[in-house]
Order: sequence, then structure tokens, then C-alpha cells
Amino acid sequence: RKEVEQDPGPFNVPEGATVAFNCTYSNSASQSFFWYRQDCRKEPKLLMSVYSSGNEDGRFTAQLNRASQYISLLIRDSKLSDSATYLCVLQTDSWGKLQFGAGTQVVVTP
Amino acid sequence: GAVVSQHPSRVICKSGTSVKIECRSLDFQATTMFWYRQFPKQSLMLMATSNEGSKATYEQGVEKDKFLINHASLTLSTLTVTSAHPEDSSFYICSARGTIGALNTEAFFGQGTRLTVV
Repeated sequence: RKEVEQDPGPFNVPEGATVAFNCTYSNSASQSFFWYRQDCRKEPKLLMSVYSSGNEDGRFTAQLNRASQYISLLIRDSKLSDSATYLCVLQTDSWGKLQFGAGTQVVVTP
Repeated sequence: GAVVSQHPSRVICKSGTSVKIECRSLDFQATTMFWYRQFPKQSLMLMATSNEGSKATYEQGVEKDKFLINHASLTLSTLTVTSAHPEDSSFYICSARGTIGALNTEAFFGQGTRLTVV
């Protein structure tokens, strides 16, 4: 079993619609959780951190469920510019070592 | 936000030659650098972690004699792929974490280097 699992997609989403997807992880000692965005052939960029209480940043909402070991991302009112691969990322030690999922591809269509 | 500059962005080399990739933190002190490799449609895989002035810690399955990492200063780390082979062709990305003033930073990524070995 992979340590970080994501549905690779693609999730084809009409512009303006809502899309949500999860990521499951196996390391219960993971300390911090993030969603990164990666555009084709580019470096990952931090989208948002994920907290147990759930957090929102504009149209993006992230949730963490430690008991079930998954995190989720919801994108409301999708824009064409939201098309990207969304990486589920865990920090597994205090040095900042990150573990990446393979990503979920989102394609927003006009 | 803080900037990490990685160079070159793209390199093509002949099999058997060595390639050096540089990663610089431009406006913060990078106490820890991470080197990742990403094959198409796969996740970033951590290759090694280096702290300034120390030897790098390599992940299981990564050959330290093949992937030489140097982190001699707080703003520069290098990865040298020695005796490159076509199977080393990949997207290599560095990530740096450190301090700005008294605050610890998140991990910032370089732009990545696409290596093609022919």
C-alpha cells in the first residue's frame, strides 16, 4: 500500500462547478498536512495547509480527519485557472521532510 | 514569498557524463535542503536531505556515490549526477527550508531541472 494515496483523476469539472477529492495516508505519526498545486512540468506550489478544524482559503476548503487518516480538498466555483494537479503532502518529521502523493488531476472546462 | 533558484532548468547530456544542478536560496538562509526526483505521472520522491555543513542523508535505494550532494553554504546546495544513464532522465527538484529572521520558513521549491540523458 502506498503511504500517500490519491485518485489520479482526471476530474473533469465544468467552469463554476464544485469539485472535491480526498487523499488517504498510512503514517499516523504525520505531523502536518498540505495541499500543493503542480502545473505541467513546473515545480509544486503550496496551496494551503490543512488543519483538523478544517480551513478555508477563498474558494478552497481543506479538511483533515486524523481518525480515518485522510485529508480532503474542495474547490468551489471552479475557474479555468484551477486546472492543475493537486498534490497531497505530509510532513513526517520536524526537519520538514515531505511525503508526496502522486496527485489528482483537475481539468476545468468552459 | 521566499525564492529558491534552481539551475539549469533543462539539460541534455550524453550517457556516461556528469551533470551538476544548483539550488540557491535567494533571500533566506536555507538550513535544510531536500532533493526530489519525479518521473512522469508519478509523485515526487525524496532522494536525500542535507543540512548545511553536514553530509547528506540519502533515502533507501538512492546511491550516494551516484548522486553527490553538497551543501557547503546556507544559500547553495548542488546535486551532481555522476556517470549519467538514460534511466536517470527525470525531473529533479530541490526544496529549501530555513530561517528568515527568527522565523522558520515553509519549504520553498526550485523551478526544477529536466534532465535527459541520451
